[in-house]
Amino acid sequence: DQQVKQNSPSLSVQEGRISILNCDYTNSMFDYFLWYKKYPAEGPTFLISISSIKDKNEDGRFTVFLNKSAKHLSLHIVPSQPGDSAVYFCAATLTGGGNKLTFGTGTQLKVEL
Amino acid sequence: NAGVMQNPRHLVRRRGQEARLRCSPMKGHSHVYWYRQLPEEGLKFMVYLQKENIIDESGMPKERFSAEFPKEGPSILRIQQVVRGDSAAYFCASSPPGQGYQPQHFGDGTRLSIL
Repeated sequence: DQQVKQNSPSLSVQEGRISILNCDYTNSMFDYFLWYKKYPAEGPTFLISISSIKDKNEDGRFTVFLNKSAKHLSLHIVPSQPGDSAVYFCAATLTGGGNKLTFGTGTQLKVEL
Repeated sequence: NAGVMQNPRHLVRRRGQEARLRCSPMKGHSHVYWYRQLPEEGLKFMVYLQKENIIDESGMPKERFSAEFPKEGPSILRIQQVVRGDSAAYFCASSPPGQGYQPQHFGDGTRLSIL
């Protein structure tokens, strides 16, 4: 039962343009969502998060949007840079329910020159 | 990933042997989580521990796997009598205590290979 889904295994974007990574979830009890970035042979690095009481959170070039009614969130990166090339994981949790993270399967982003 | 230290980075075991994976959380972090990533998959939660206590082990296989986080020293994930299907990357994460949700910070993982 995949409760967090990232339906695009890969995405290719030109440098300077916007990257949009999507994530869907099925468990309406999730109330906190995170994005992690992962390079090969390294652990995931926390990027940005959003609480279910908000619909947008911004941090520099990264913005996360949450649409609770659609159970959908997205990560926008603008402008995209070659160093952004990595696998991006969406994760969700139920705060107060042990804080364990449920991850999607990841999207490989490639930013081309 | 400064702070969360995992060792060894790579571990090779033969079927039937034991594997011990160690994790030292970031300074000031008292919550430790273990996740497993199989090839081409996302990370899957295994267990959540605080000092000397297992808080949530709902993701741990019922047999052969155990975890501890003693009062002194690192957290240990132990796999007894390893099988080929245990080959995976095992990641540890930690978070600080406190009110409100605190994002987990991950180590670089241990790649376990079973011959």
